[in-house]
Amino acid sequence: GENVEQHPSTLSVQEGDSAVIKCTYSDSASNYFPWYKQELGKRPQLIIDIRSNVGEKKDQRIAVTLNKTAKHFSLHITETQPEDSAVYFCAALIGGFKTIFGAGTRLFVKA
Amino acid sequence: GAVVSQHPSWVICKSGTSVKIECRSLDFQATTMFWYRQFPKQSLMLMATSNEGSKATYEQGVEKDKFLINHASLTLSTLTVTSAHPEDSSFYICSAREGAGANVLTFGAGSRLTVL
Repeated sequence: GENVEQHPSTLSVQEGDSAVIKCTYSDSASNYFPWYKQELGKRPQLIIDIRSNVGEKKDQRIAVTLNKTAKHFSLHITETQPEDSAVYFCAALIGGFKTIFGAGTRLFVKA
Repeated sequence: GAVVSQHPSWVICKSGTSVKIECRSLDFQATTMFWYRQFPKQSLMLMATSNEGSKATYEQGVEKDKFLINHASLTLSTLTVTSAHPEDSSFYICSAREGAGANVLTFGAGSRLTVL
């Protein structure tokens, strides 16, 4: 079935430390994996994405890795700042058409 | 970049009444829009795919007679929650892709529905 699993559900880190969020997906045909950040009461915003023909992508303090064989992908945030505190969702494009989201990770960055 | 506008941002209604939520793509045409539902502290659950000029495609477990979707133009999709009940209270959020080959979803601001 169509499923995206995400861990952990909650993550608390000290400012300056790194944060890692992991996801797995079930549809081996999925070829696009976005990550969204959602602040309280606001709409999700795309922060980074990766396509299946790439193993890693980096944008300043944010990086995403993809292991297509294992159907795993991860978000890495380095040098975390308090403003990184939010809910992060991984997602996978299923059937080239609809986007299914993971359960979300609530990230707390303590100053 | 692509902008999706959603109205109303919040609505309170009495049990048994119907509520309509609008989703517009402001600077692009969207033949397909997606409606999600989000309960507090939970994920975005895809409810249905809205298709311009044809019937919406509903996800398993979503009542199509309860959540009526109309996509009458290339820039407007509407979700009507019919005979709303307190358990329908939720955050409803629409999204669209800019361009047929695009993968990135752009979200509306969401509509918080409270049914008394």
